[in-house]
Amino acid sequence: KAGVTQTPRYLIKTRGQQVTLSCSPISGHRSVSWYQQTPGQGLQFLFEYFSETQRNKGNFPGRFSGRQFSNSRSEMNVSTLELGDSALYLCASKQVTGTGELFFGEGSRLTVL
Amino acid sequence: QKEVEQNSGPLSVPEGAIASLNCTYSDRGSQSFFWYRQYSGKSPELIMFIYSNGDKEDGRFTAQLNKASQYVSLLIRDSQPSDSATYLCAARISSGSARQLTFGSGTQLTVLP
Repeated sequence: KAGVTQTPRYLIKTRGQQVTLSCSPISGHRSVSWYQQTPGQGLQFLFEYFSETQRNKGNFPGRFSGRQFSNSRSEMNVSTLELGDSALYLCASKQVTGTGELFFGEGSRLTVL
Repeated sequence: QKEVEQNSGPLSVPEGAIASLNCTYSDRGSQSFFWYRQYSGKSPELIMFIYSNGDKEDGRFTAQLNKASQYVSLLIRDSQPSDSATYLCAARISSGSARQLTFGSGTQLTVLP
């Protein structure tokens, strides 16, 4: 069974630009969550999507947005990039029923210059 | 107060020793707790989950949960250099009508040969 796939793995942007990250969950997993990981703040929850609806949202500004498609694939977008947005963005999927275990992708490492 | 707190470390133990990793959580309604291991440059991977008071053992790993004290721990017996990684504690925290996995900042473990 293929794991969670994230693209792109690495990207460099400049301040003010926007970026879109993509995530394909494990087959059969309908819930997708996004996390931001930085050395100072650790893993911070961004949002969770299920059945194309945002179920939960973390404490991030409106520049961070996401969506989920009917095939459960998800994208997140960050507009008007700031230097502080440099981070590893992790996508995780899970089965809706069960233990609640998250399965993580390898992440997209964003550098903002 | 952070919702999930871990002893930040870093923690160093000699090979063959027991490594003890600790975590406390603030939400008394939390039901499920997870320990993830993250190697440098990699994504988090699940080691164990626990939801009942007491101990849960899996090979060299033992998770301990004390809901009255809001305390979770992970013991690694016969530590190996390959156990050197950052260990993340996570709890399913209630947030409105949804539950999300909230992570601690992680404890960096080094097992010395």
